[in-house]
Amino acid sequence: GESVGLHLPTLSVQEGDNSIINCAYSNSASDYFIWYKQESGKGPQFIIDIRSNMDKRQGQRVTVLLNKTVKHLSLQIAATQPGDSAVYFCAENWDTGFQKLVFGTGTRLLVSP
Amino acid sequence: KAGVTQTPRYLIKTRGQQVTLSCSPISGHRSVSWYQQTPGQGLQFLFEYFSETQRNKGNFPGRFSGRQFSNSRSEMNVSTLELGDSALYLCASSVEGGFNSPLHFGNGTRLTVT
Repeated sequence: GESVGLHLPTLSVQEGDNSIINCAYSNSASDYFIWYKQESGKGPQFIIDIRSNMDKRQGQRVTVLLNKTVKHLSLQIAATQPGDSAVYFCAENWDTGFQKLVFGTGTRLLVSP
Repeated sequence: KAGVTQTPRYLIKTRGQQVTLSCSPISGHRSVSWYQQTPGQGLQFLFEYFSETQRNKGNFPGRFSGRQFSNSRSEMNVSTLELGDSALYLCASSVEGGFNSPLHFGNGTRLTVT
């Protein structure tokens, strides 16, 4: 398959474990954040988003936490499945009102059966 | 609803040539953005179009250009190709391009410049 990144940090977990993927963002003025999942050969797939006026948001099996004090985002995946194996990117919106996303470098999640 | 469609899926070009990539957004989406993805630089914003107008542009040379048509379909063009332009070019669409409309990406066009 196509290589998304050659030297990505990797998180290896067992099926059924909970996974936590962390991201440090750069712009304290960013007010909108998104997590994407990218599988080999595909484009990034939207997972969940959060505005800066929130600390936490939950979706189906996923939770995003935002700590503006230290400019930190995390994505928690409950009961991780082999299908969750992918590269995960956080993105911040630098331009108020427009979608000009700045992406993190990504984390590769490997889920073993 | 069909997703974002990008054509072609793969392209091989020679240095100095030019290339045009095409993107059809999700039906009803009026904002189209383009991103370049490389192993070294990651995902980088190229430009964003809304109602046929470029609203935002990333830090890329003028060889990279784009346009949007009245049906929201978009094309990007790269002239005088360089080896460093080899990348996955991703198109994304959203309803309006604001906070309540996250980007939805296509599967990209893989451009190889030789």
